[in-house]
Parts: sequence; structure tokens; C-alpha cells
Amino acid sequence: GAGVSQSPSNKVTEKGKDVELRCDPISGHTALYWYRQSLGQGLEFLIYFQGNSAPDKSGLPSDRFSAERTGGSVSTLTIQRTQQEDSAVYLCASSSTGLAGSEQFFGPGTRLTVL
Amino acid sequence: QKEVEQNSGPLSVPEGAIASLNCTYSDRVSQSFFWYRQYSGKSPELIMSIYSNGDKEDGRFTAQLNKASQYVSLLIRDSQPSDSATYLCALPSPGGYNKLIFGAGTRLAVHP
Repeated sequence: GAGVSQSPSNKVTEKGKDVELRCDPISGHTALYWYRQSLGQGLEFLIYFQGNSAPDKSGLPSDRFSAERTGGSVSTLTIQRTQQEDSAVYLCASSSTGLAGSEQFFGPGTRLTVL
Repeated sequence: QKEVEQNSGPLSVPEGAIASLNCTYSDRVSQSFFWYRQYSGKSPELIMSIYSNGDKEDGRFTAQLNKASQYVSLLIRDSQPSDSATYLCALPSPGGYNKLIFGAGTRLAVHP
């Protein structure tokens, strides 16, 4: 089956605008994760979904960041009033379960550039 | 101490040699460990998972885990130029859920 897909692949926006990033996980995977990778920084966790619930939002950097997941499938990460420090590659991953040790598979990412 | 530590490299090896990539971690109760390969400009690709002490082999890749020493390594035999990438070590964060903590990655360069 298809892997994790993300859209758009690239997004250029102006400071202060809102952006929406989309993730479509592997079919049947109940767990979905958002990570961020900034230039010179490692991969950092943002939020975890199990089904449509987000039991762990601890990585969201500020209240400008929010995410939702519907139908236990597609997820959208929204960044409001974007800032230049939001520029990064946003990666989505999914796994068959949310249990520790369950393998996570990444999508191709969305490269966000805030001018 | 960082939770997951890797040498940033670059690790340069000749084609055909064995590349050895190392990772140490601080959480003594970790039970699962992952190696991802990331080509420049691409997303991480899972190449190995290991859960038990000892070696796990998959083709040219061998993962080695020593929980007592809190050490996990990845060996790449018969290294090819196409193996040139950044290799990321990851494990689940302590405290539940499966969010991964990543090392900074080791850049591997295989030269012909």
C-alpha cells in the first residue's frame, strides 16, 4: 500500500499568515505523529494522535500551533501568525499502534519557509 | 547528558569497507531502538529496529544492542557510495506513548 503522504511539499508564506499542513497516514495506522526538523537542529516531536485524540501535545512550541485528526486518518497541522522561526521541515509519521516500540514511517515532509 | 548521543561525523570510509555508527542513550529502561537513514533533502527512512540485546542482521546492515552499556550501533558491510547519508538513532521517550527522541545523526561519506 501507499506510504505516508504530505501536502504541500513546499510552502512559502509571509510572516503573520496562517498555514495548514496536511498528512495522510498509512492506511490502518492508528497512531500519527508530527515532528519538525530545523536547519542545524535535530528532529523534534510536536504532537501525537491515537485515533482522533491527541494525548500528547507536549512538543507544540506555542499556542499558535494546533493540530487535528479526523476519521482516524488525515491530520492537519495549523500554524497561525507564522514567524520566521517557524521555518523548518514538518514531518509526519504513522505507526500501526501507539505502543512503545511500534515502528514509525515518515512521509516526505513539508518544507515551510516564512519570509 | 543528552538523551541520545551520536558523533556528528563526518565518518568517511572507502567503498567496500565496514562503516560503524554508534549511539549511546541515557534512559536505562528503553526497550526499543531504531536506525533511520536520511539522504540530504529527504525524510528519514527506517532501516533497522532492534529490541533485544545482541545482533540483528538485515542484508548488509547489522544492529547491535547492549542495554547494560546503554549502547546501540549500526554496522554497514561492503559500504557503497549510495550509503552516504545521515544516520539517525532513535528511541521512544520515557514515560509512555511512542514519541521518538532522535540523536543529532552521524553523517556517513563512502568514497569510491
